[in-house]
Amino acid sequence: DSGVTQTPKHLITATGQRVTLRCSPRSGDLSVYWYQQSLDQGLQFLIQYYNGEERAKGNILERFSAQQFPDLHSELNLSSLELGDSALYFCASSVDTLGGEQYFGPGTRLTVT
Amino acid sequence: GNSVTQMEGPVTLSEEAFLTINCTYTATGYPSLFWYVQYPGEGLQLLLKATKADDKGSNKGFEATYRKETTSFHLEKGSVQVSDSAVYFCALSRGGSNYKLTFGKGTLLTVNP
Repeated sequence: DSGVTQTPKHLITATGQRVTLRCSPRSGDLSVYWYQQSLDQGLQFLIQYYNGEERAKGNILERFSAQQFPDLHSELNLSSLELGDSALYFCASSVDTLGGEQYFGPGTRLTVT
Repeated sequence: GNSVTQMEGPVTLSEEAFLTINCTYTATGYPSLFWYVQYPGEGLQLLLKATKADDKGSNKGFEATYRKETTSFHLEKGSVQVSDSAVYFCALSRGGSNYKLTFGKGTLLTVNP
């Protein structure tokens, strides 16, 4: 158990809908990262938050957004969903020091039908 | 930009065979290097890491040495077990303003009894 929790574990929704994925980092970790894992793109970095503020953006679509709350949990919002958004979405947390490893949650599997 | 290239699988071995999964990277400066493992239906777990040249990371019988001269971080294990069957990801973290992980495409390892 990494100490990172994600809910829900599975999500099935229709095209055009909006969903929210939730992540709670390990105790003491200020950074939260979101990654998308798909068969064609592999593991792609989406966005990072550090202590409530956005720090870096990767290959995140404009239809996607995230935030980190004062209690450090984070939410990833996906809207106007398309079939191609079906993927595993992972959250990871870390202490941000060089060489500091990231600890991954179990992931949320999103299926868009 | 940063990139990681790892050998394509799948790799199929018999129990007690020797394992090598090749990984090379492109990055400026001195990235930290990681191997993560993903067991079926689970999230990513850190297997080992190295933060500077000539460092050797090791865990659970797996080893990898950070070779700056060849920009490589090959994963090895002397005697694999059926329980090692999983997908293995090589990754790097560059540091600086954020510590996002850049992943290779993953290598599926299947170990047969």
